[in-house]
Amino acid sequence: KNEVEQSPQNLTAQEGEFITINCSYSVGISALHWLQQHPGGGIVSLFMLSSGKKKHGRLIATINIQEKHSSLHITASHPRDSAVYICAVSDPGNQFYFGTGTSLTVIP
Amino acid sequence: DARVTQTPRHKVTEMGQEVTMRCQPILGHNTVFWYRQTMMQGLELLAYFRNRAPLDDSGMPKDRFSAEMPDATLATLKIQPSEPRDSAVYFCASGLVRWREEGNEQFFGPGTRLTVL
Repeated sequence: KNEVEQSPQNLTAQEGEFITINCSYSVGISALHWLQQHPGGGIVSLFMLSSGKKKHGRLIATINIQEKHSSLHITASHPRDSAVYICAVSDPGNQFYFGTGTSLTVIP
Repeated sequence: DARVTQTPRHKVTEMGQEVTMRCQPILGHNTVFWYRQTMMQGLELLAYFRNRAPLDDSGMPKDRFSAEMPDATLATLKIQPSEPRDSAVYFCASGLVRWREEGNEQFFGPGTRLTVL
């Protein structure tokens, strides 16, 4: 059983669409992380959150601690958003668990 | 522009050879992570240092892998002897943690792509 489950695994969207990627986890956490990995392989940390909601540009991340669920939203999606989005959680002992990623393709 | 650097970016070696990968964390960061990424397993945490002390290396095969931080500006991951199944991209990340239970935002290096023939 995976401690972190992401859905969908693959997602194709038209430019301009609103996108949601979901993450559910089963362990107690100190923080949840959303990572973006571009086709070139580089990884960027998008958000680290432990409650509520964070926004950065067109990206919004929310977390519901009671339901052990987080969502990553992209508004007005653009082809440059095409990447793999990885959800990860860290527990109070700083053990990390990773989701398998959501591969997003935004078509012009 | 502070960033995590890793060397080498690519390494091709033969089975049985020693491989050393290096990471320079962002100045002032007190945590360093080593990850391995493969197509089959995705991202896996290999080792985690805080203030240069290893806190967790349970994800690392101890018989052949070793991770050290000889000083605050250098972290190394060594494989000896290397095997074809070690072929992967190895990422280093650093972050700043101010208290024990705080979540740790991480900044990733570009990775070292290792191929063991």
